[in-house]
Amino acid sequence: QSALTQPASVSGSPGQSITISCTGTSSDVGGYNSVSWYQQHPGKAPKLMIYDVSNRPSGVSNRFSGSKSGNTASLTISGLQAEDEADYYCSSYTSSSTWVFGGGTKLTVL
Amino acid sequence: QVQLQESGPGLVKPSQTLSLTCTVSGGSISSGSYYWSWIRQPAGKGLEWIGRIYTSGSTNYNPSLKRRVTISVDTSKNQFSLKLTSVTAADTAVYYCAREDRDNAYHIWGQGTLVTVSS
Repeated sequence: QSALTQPASVSGSPGQSITISCTGTSSDVGGYNSVSWYQQHPGKAPKLMIYDVSNRPSGVSNRFSGSKSGNTASLTISGLQAEDEADYYCSSYTSSSTWVFGGGTKLTVL
Repeated sequence: QVQLQESGPGLVKPSQTLSLTCTVSGGSISSGSYYWSWIRQPAGKGLEWIGRIYTSGSTNYNPSLKRRVTISVDTSKNQFSLKLTSVTAADTAVYYCAREDRDNAYHIWGQGTLVTVSS
């Protein structure tokens, strides 16, 4: 299985909005609504931010939102804050009953 | 609340078997409909899904690792384990255990443990 495709890096200024894309195939992202997004700060374990394409776990800010169109899922962070600077990974269930992650996107808050 | 903790050798020689255990605390590994998973991350690189085991014992593995991976569960110890055979330097990574909830996401992660493959 091939890793999902994410941009290596994105950046934005405080208060702005950014979007991170995650492109797969009809065998993963396009075929299932089981797409999730994780935030990872250096040296820390990943933290779930979005599940099932657009659902937020309890405690996650509503500045984080997710969507999907075809084989591409997206994570949008609005009202950027310094604490949002981290690596972000998408993940999707696959037709092989496995999970696949994206390569990760480094978000820089300017 | 449920917590996960990885344990095992931090150094493994090439061609040998990497063995890690994840201890579940704050809840029973047998209760609920959860998958218990292993995920790894080489230094400076992305996450790689290794595989998972259901409480019934059924497993799914990453096709690229399937030939070398075994995940098992010990309900009496409230633990699940990872064995990766014939390791090389490419298997050097931080290994995480995680719980896949019924909403198809990893809500709970261990803190991760670094395993280095070197002679």
